[in-house]
Amino acid sequence: KNQVEQSPQSLIILEGKNCTLQCNYTVSPFSNLRWYKQDTGRGPVSLTIMTFSENTKSNGRYTATLDADTKQSSLHITASQLSDSASYICVVSPDGGFKTIFGAGTRLFVKA
Amino acid sequence: DAGVIQSPRHEVTEMGQEVTLRCKPISGHDYLFWYRQTMMRGLELLIYFNNNVPIDDSGMPEDRFSAKMPNASFSTLKIQPSEPRDSAVYFCASSLLGWRIAFFGQGTRLTVV
Repeated sequence: KNQVEQSPQSLIILEGKNCTLQCNYTVSPFSNLRWYKQDTGRGPVSLTIMTFSENTKSNGRYTATLDADTKQSSLHITASQLSDSASYICVVSPDGGFKTIFGAGTRLFVKA
Repeated sequence: DAGVIQSPRHEVTEMGQEVTLRCKPISGHDYLFWYRQTMMRGLELLIYFNNNVPIDDSGMPEDRFSAKMPNASFSTLKIQPSEPRDSAVYFCASSLLGWRIAFFGQGTRLTVV
């Protein structure tokens, strides 16, 4: 069964600290993996998209990694800011199309 | 560009009533998606259109749900009759095939009492 599992479910960190969010998937075949950020009360916003051949992709203080062999991805946030408080959703596409499988998300709280 | 625009932002209705959610995609985008988000199930794709034509509606939960896209700049998601379990946030998103990244609207929070 195609699944995307994210951990932890929620995380609290102090402003300025780094953190890493995990995404494990059992989707097959695999085309691409995306990380979205969703602020409270708003729609998800794309952070990165990675294909099978990409291992690392950065977007400012966000760095995503992908290991297609172990079917794991991580999202690393450097020097966290209060505005990073949001849900982070991992999304996997089996065929590059739009029938994507969503993870449940990790809820990140950044405290001053 | 104003992004994907959804209306209303909030809707409270009584069980059994008809509910219509509206979406204006980003101009020029050829794909439009309707998603539902709940605490229990997360984000789920309900239906998507390409060039105004419904491509896959396998995510639509029941016949009570219907979606239309009469033109490239407007789509509706209708629930008739509504039930309390339909309470969720409904997102509309649009995309260009070449980008494969969906841009989401701010969502409509539906509460059926």
